[in-house]
Amino acid sequence: KAGVTQTPRYLIKTRGQQVTLSCSPISGHRSVSWYQQTPGQGLQFLFEYFSETQRNKGNFPGRFSGRQFSNSRSEMNVSTLELGDSALYLCASAHSPLTGTNEKLFFGSGTQLSVL
Amino acid sequence: TQLLEQSPQFLSIQEGENLTVYCNSSSVFSSLQWYRQEPGEGPVLLVTVVTGGEVKKLKRLTFQFGDARKDSSLHITAAQPGDTGLYLCAGAIETGANNLFFGTGTRLTVIP
Repeated sequence: KAGVTQTPRYLIKTRGQQVTLSCSPISGHRSVSWYQQTPGQGLQFLFEYFSETQRNKGNFPGRFSGRQFSNSRSEMNVSTLELGDSALYLCASAHSPLTGTNEKLFFGSGTQLSVL
Repeated sequence: TQLLEQSPQFLSIQEGENLTVYCNSSSVFSSLQWYRQEPGEGPVLLVTVVTGGEVKKLKRLTFQFGDARKDSSLHITAAQPGDTGLYLCAGAIETGANNLFFGTGTRLTVIP
């Protein structure tokens, strides 16, 4: 079974540009979450999608957005990039959001974004 | 402000030594997970604890969830170089929620 696939692996952008990152979850997984990892703040939750709907959202500005397609693949977009957006962006997939159970998250290797 | 504080932040030990990593919060969690992350990779789940006072063992690793479900510890016995990595605790406020609050991380180096 293939793992979580994130593309691209590395990305260099300049301030003011926008960027789109892609995540393909494990086959059969319907939940996709996005996290930002920086040396200073660690891992912080961005948002989660399930069945093409945003289910949870972290405390990030509106410049960060995402979506999920019918095949569960997800994209996140960051507009008007700032230097502080430089980070490793991680995607995690889970099988299903069964009420009362704790899902096992599987993380991809991430997209390393550098904003110059 | 981090919801989960881990200590120590850095740990460098000799092969064969024992160590304990702590994860503390003032918040109550429905569950707490421990992950290990290696350079260039995403975190990999090691264990999930859900009941206050619960202890789980994974070979040489022992995980404990505090009675009040606010803190957790990870103890490694006879550390090996392969244990080197970034250890992260992560808590879920709501049962079944995938929006985890991650700890600050403990970077462990085991010297052969």
